[in-house]
Amino acid sequence: NAGVTQTPKFQVLKTGQSMTLQCAQDMNHEYMSWYRQDPGMGLRLIHYSVGAGITDQGEVPNGYNVSRSTTEDFPLRLLSAAPSQTSVYFCASSYFRTGPQETQYFGPGTRLLVL
Amino acid sequence: AQTVTQSQPEMSVQEAETVTLSCTYDTSESDYYLFWYKQPPSRQMILVIRQEAYKQQNATENRFSVNFQKAAKSFSLKISDSQLGDAAMYFCAYRSAYYTGANSKLTFGKGITLSVRP
Repeated sequence: NAGVTQTPKFQVLKTGQSMTLQCAQDMNHEYMSWYRQDPGMGLRLIHYSVGAGITDQGEVPNGYNVSRSTTEDFPLRLLSAAPSQTSVYFCASSYFRTGPQETQYFGPGTRLLVL
Repeated sequence: AQTVTQSQPEMSVQEAETVTLSCTYDTSESDYYLFWYKQPPSRQMILVIRQEAYKQQNATENRFSVNFQKAAKSFSLKISDSQLGDAAMYFCAYRSAYYTGANSKLTFGKGITLSVRP
């Protein structure tokens, strides 16, 4: 099992550019989520999904879009990058109804710099 | 809404000594999970230990143990025989046991940076 994978590891964008952060998991987890980590703020939830075709907003959703067409993939789209979106982004997954639900497994993170 | 507070931004410990990292939380729920995650310089989030709120017994994982005080809403992490590889940022986190989509998120504290002196 590869677990949770994220690409790219590091990306530099210019203000106004768009991009997609990729996240995939091979554990058949229904629940997937995106967090951002900023200094002194801990990790904050951006969007989450409890299954294919079902997504919802977290604490800090503005400027981000998600979709979930398969159980395995949960991409995060930045529509028009802003310097305030400079952060480290983590994808995480867990079971929701079909297995032990309490532990979320994290990807290695994507470091994003918006100039 | 639940909150998690880690009031010490930094701590330092001598190699082979014991250190305790503090965490408090606030919730109106009676059933939940608490976690400590370790984030080394690689930035990977590594689960250190997990505690179920309905269990009286404190969780232990090798050199790591917790002191879970449910009434006081306190969840501290004790690291015994500290090693250089323990140097990292440590996050305390809360997750509801009432599984709706919105409740399934992890709520994190701001983290504490632990340094280990050789």
